Parts: sequence; C-alpha cells; structure tokens
Amino acid sequence: EPEVTQTPSHQVTQMGQEVILRCVPISNHLYFYWYRQILGQKVEFLVSFYNNEISEKSEIFDDQFSVERPDGSNFTLKIRSTKLEDSAMYFCASTGSGRRAHNEQFFGPGTRLTVL
Amino acid sequence: GENVEQHPSTLSVQEGDSAVIKCTYSDSASNYFPWYKQELGKRPQLIIDIRSNVGEKKDQRIAVTLNKTAKHFSLHITETQPEDSAVYFCAVLFSGGYNKLIFGAGTRLAVHP
Repeated sequence: EPEVTQTPSHQVTQMGQEVILRCVPISNHLYFYWYRQILGQKVEFLVSFYNNEISEKSEIFDDQFSVERPDGSNFTLKIRSTKLEDSAMYFCASTGSGRRAHNEQFFGPGTRLTVL
Repeated sequence: GENVEQHPSTLSVQEGDSAVIKCTYSDSASNYFPWYKQELGKRPQLIIDIRSNVGEKKDQRIAVTLNKTAKHFSLHITETQPEDSAVYFCAVLFSGGYNKLIFGAGTRLAVHP
C-alpha cells in the first residue's frame, strides 16, 4: 500500500537556523498539507497546497514558513529562522482527487524538529 | 470560527468495557468527520470516518455516530483491549478551505487488563 514518507525523522537545529523538512506524498495525490503537533498537544493545521500554490494557511504559518514542490515528487516545508517554539512534530499529509479520496488524508510518519 | 471540542481528555476503562469519546464542532456546513488513533511517537492513523449523509457507521468493534443538527459526533469502542490504549483525535473537515482538518484536543484512552 502506498504511503507518505518524510525525511529526516529527527532534526536538531540551533535557534535562528534554517531547516527544510521533506515529504514525498502518495504519487497520484494532488492536495498536500503540513500539520504540526507540539509534544502532548493536538495536531494543528499549517498549510494546504494545490496546483503549485498555497490554497490556505493558518495563523501559525507566518513569513518564516514557506512550502514548495520543487519537482514532481517532493513537497517541502522551510522554516527560515527557527525559534524555540518551533520545536514540534511536523506531519505531511496528502489526499487524492476522487470524491471519496478527496476527503481522507494520509499522514506521513512525521519529522521531530528540536530547536536548541 | 473553526472550533472542535473533544471530551473527555482522559479515559480509563477495564478490558472488555466500552469507551465513548465525544466531539462537537462549530461549522454546520462540515461534511466529513474522521477519527484518528495515535500511538506514542507515531503518526495519526485513520480508524474510522463518517460523512454527513449517514448517521452511524460501524467497523467491527468501532462505531461512529453523527448528529448533524446538534453538531456532535462520537466514537464508540466496544470490548476494549489493552492494545486500544492510545490517544484518539476527532477531526472535522471545514467547508471553507481545501480539506483543512481541524482536530480536537485528543483523548488519552487507557485500557487496563
């Protein structure tokens, strides 16, 4: 069964550094998402991406964040200048184009980001 | 606004008992309501979902009920087993965006042998 994959599984960085989190969505999916989960808290929506542009973003997704689909398979989340409060698990998700598949979102295994 | 309330935050049951988790939401136009199970350090895994054109759905020991008028939906787990222990999140697909899921705060379920 196809799965969403993410790399790295764990990223440790210094405050102020840039990080890029990578995701490979399921190959025939068209809608892509990033969510984050601070330890012990709920999953929070960051951004959705469709047709090579952001379709919606949350208040969390400020100017320090950007997303990109640089080629036909990868979907990346960049944090320009990391802050301590960016420490969290970041999940990528994707969904397909059919009516039913359009709703169910498939999550990747996550990248744990630790900002020191 | 977009709001999903989930209760209880923790739930402790004996093996074999039933567990019920409830969620309420704010957007009356929402039409898709998934439930996720998350084990420690793992990704959320979809366990069951329901769409607004049905009131109940069952899959073996798991069932979900939806009351669109009251804007609430519930997860029911029967004959609980220790491996059901995890954090369960409800979510709502909000109608205004491109399939943006808004999650509840989660319920930590502990099933004691």
